[in-house]
Amino acid sequence: AQKITQTQPGMFVQEKEAVTLDCTYDTSDPSYGLFWYKQPSSGEMIFLIYQGSYDQQNATEGRYSLNFQKARKSANLVISASQLGDSAMYFCAMRERGSQGNLIFGKGTKLSVKP
Amino acid sequence: DTGVSQDPRHKITKRGQNVTFRCDPISEHNRLYWYRQTLGQGPEFLTYFQNEAQLEKSRLLSDRFSAERPKGSFSTLEIQRTEQGDSAMYLCASSLASGPSYEQYFGPGTRLTVT
Repeated sequence: AQKITQTQPGMFVQEKEAVTLDCTYDTSDPSYGLFWYKQPSSGEMIFLIYQGSYDQQNATEGRYSLNFQKARKSANLVISASQLGDSAMYFCAMRERGSQGNLIFGKGTKLSVKP
Repeated sequence: DTGVSQDPRHKITKRGQNVTFRCDPISEHNRLYWYRQTLGQGPEFLTYFQNEAQLEKSRLLSDRFSAERPKGSFSTLEIQRTEQGDSAMYLCASSLASGPSYEQYFGPGTRLTVT
């Protein structure tokens, strides 16, 4: 079974609007971390935001926020005020406590921002 | 301030040849990870070092693959007797052992094409 599911292969958003990228996860480990990474066409993975399983509040980093719904096992990324430079692949990833740190990635969502 | 660097950025080789990739992590990071990413997929974990010790290997890492991190600094990933299925992007990441989020910082990757 997939541990990280990203159901949107591609998304379009108008510049300056907000967009939500979906991510659901599956784990029996009570302690885990959830990450979002951005991968532009150049290939480098850029860390965006982190949410710990015990964090009480949703994580925010500038224009990025994470809508964490623990009971539903979802960790959606919200990008506000989209910019043309946000066009990229976005990956949701999970680190389980028992994994010693390696990340499990979803298949990604390709975001295209329209001018 | 230098990030994670990888060399070479691109490698084309013929089936059956050996190839070696290098990764230089962020200097103060003692954890180093190797991932493989094929087209349309998220990165998949291959192996992980803490300092010079290789602590975890994925079952994706066949006997033809070997990784080292002498002196706990740079790391090399060698693929012997390459096969066409080895064609992929090989990503290196590093992180601190401590910290609430253990975010991993990725290099630009080495794209391997086996002909």
